[in-house]
Amino acid sequence: QVQLVESGGGVVQPGRSLRLSCAASGFTFSSYGIHWVRQAPGKGLEWVALISYDGSNKDYADSVKGRFTISRDNSKNTLYLQMNSLRTEDTAVYYCAKDRADDDGDYVFDNWGQGTLVTVSS
Amino acid sequence: SYALTQSPSVSVAPGQTARITCGGNNIGSKSVHWYQQKPGQAPVLVVYDDSDRPSGIPERFSGSNSGNTATLTISRVEAGDEADYSCQVWDSSSDHPVFGGGTKLTVL
Repeated sequence: QVQLVESGGGVVQPGRSLRLSCAASGFTFSSYGIHWVRQAPGKGLEWVALISYDGSNKDYADSVKGRFTISRDNSKNTLYLQMNSLRTEDTAVYYCAKDRADDDGDYVFDNWGQGTLVTVSS
Repeated sequence: SYALTQSPSVSVAPGQTARITCGGNNIGSKSVHWYQQKPGQAPVLVVYDDSDRPSGIPERFSGSNSGNTATLTISRVEAGDEADYSCQVWDSSSDHPVFGGGTKLTVL
């Protein structure tokens, strides 16, 4: 079965950086677009970024564009999110989520990881 | 950007029918997807493209979409259905997906 396991969360000061990872198994990782979606404490879900199956296309929410970078290593079945210039409002649980469509994806999230908590605080 | 409106909470007795709504301007022209999220767990896709169910989702979960309201209907509600339910659509004005704020379903 599909499994997505995030790691790398923690407490970080504003302005600092953090890198999240998502290890995938149970499906052909290199065939699917993968997303990051976050959820601030007590708030709703917010889409963050998408990377296409081969890494050639990337898309970001306006709230993170220019600060976050999504990448993937298909040889390791792993997704990454490099988060720079972190702000307090970036505090959230970060989920990786598999797109239901192969190739570039169509922004429907059919499998999710358990999430990793990022806390940005001084 | 496109706004989706969900009631914060819905309560229903076991065995009854729960209806969770998602409001948006002409949402009937969009494809709506629904996610279930139990406390401390990852979201689960329960309905996609307005009314289709992924494999493994019980037939008790159904969806509809028309006009300015999409609805997730859960028939014969069970205690295990207690969760937050969020709707999601594609916003063509921003070219990004958007989520509703979520509705907490309480089983009395």
